[in-house]
Amino acid sequence: EVQLVESGGGLAQPGGSLRLSCVVSGFTFSDHYMDWVRQAPGKGLEWVGRSRNKANSYTTEYPASVKGRFTISRDDSKNSLYLQMNSLKTEDTAVYYCARDRVGAPAFDMWGQGTMVTVSS
Amino acid sequence: DIQLTQSPSFLSASVGDRVTITCRASQGISTYLAWYQQKPGKAPKVLIYAASTLQSGVPSRFSGSGSGTEFTLTINSLQPEDFATYFCQQLNSYPVTFGGGTKVEIK
Repeated sequence: EVQLVESGGGLAQPGGSLRLSCVVSGFTFSDHYMDWVRQAPGKGLEWVGRSRNKANSYTTEYPASVKGRFTISRDDSKNSLYLQMNSLKTEDTAVYYCARDRVGAPAFDMWGQGTMVTVSS
Repeated sequence: DIQLTQSPSFLSASVGDRVTITCRASQGISTYLAWYQQKPGKAPKVLIYAASTLQSGVPSRFSGSGSGTEFTLTINSLQPEDFATYFCQQLNSYPVTFGGGTKVEIK
């Protein structure tokens, strides 16, 4: 069974940092691109970034809203994806999901249950 | 950035109805479009990818069509479990973007 389990959410102060983890099982993690997506309370979905796979040198992509503040990394030996969030802002408050990219035609075909991040003083 | 505009943002329908949701892209995205269903407190679930390909395990009452800038998600014979929020997503170029969502509620 494919599983993605996020952890590391919680309360952080503006300007602070937090590191989220996503541990996966049930598939060959190293084959897949992986993404982070967030959803502010009562709002829509916002893509936070992508980690390509080893075959594509683990390169990353970010939207302007988080570029320079957030960093995605992965450890294929631990089947784990990470999101390091620095210089947090109140508008970063959201549920953060990790998601798996399909191999082939793109889409996010598996998602974790999400972890809540609250940025507040 | 490519903007995705979904319409309507809200619709009220009855069990058995046929429902159509539209997603318009601000520029051409070929068929790099996916549709997701999200229920309260749950992660999104992919329904359709490549604009018209049904994800494995998704009921055949869901279908997608379109290319370029205009796309539709159709639900034939709406079932009680289909009341949810639906999002489109473009994966043609970075940043990946989502539509604002369409909430389907029971009439």
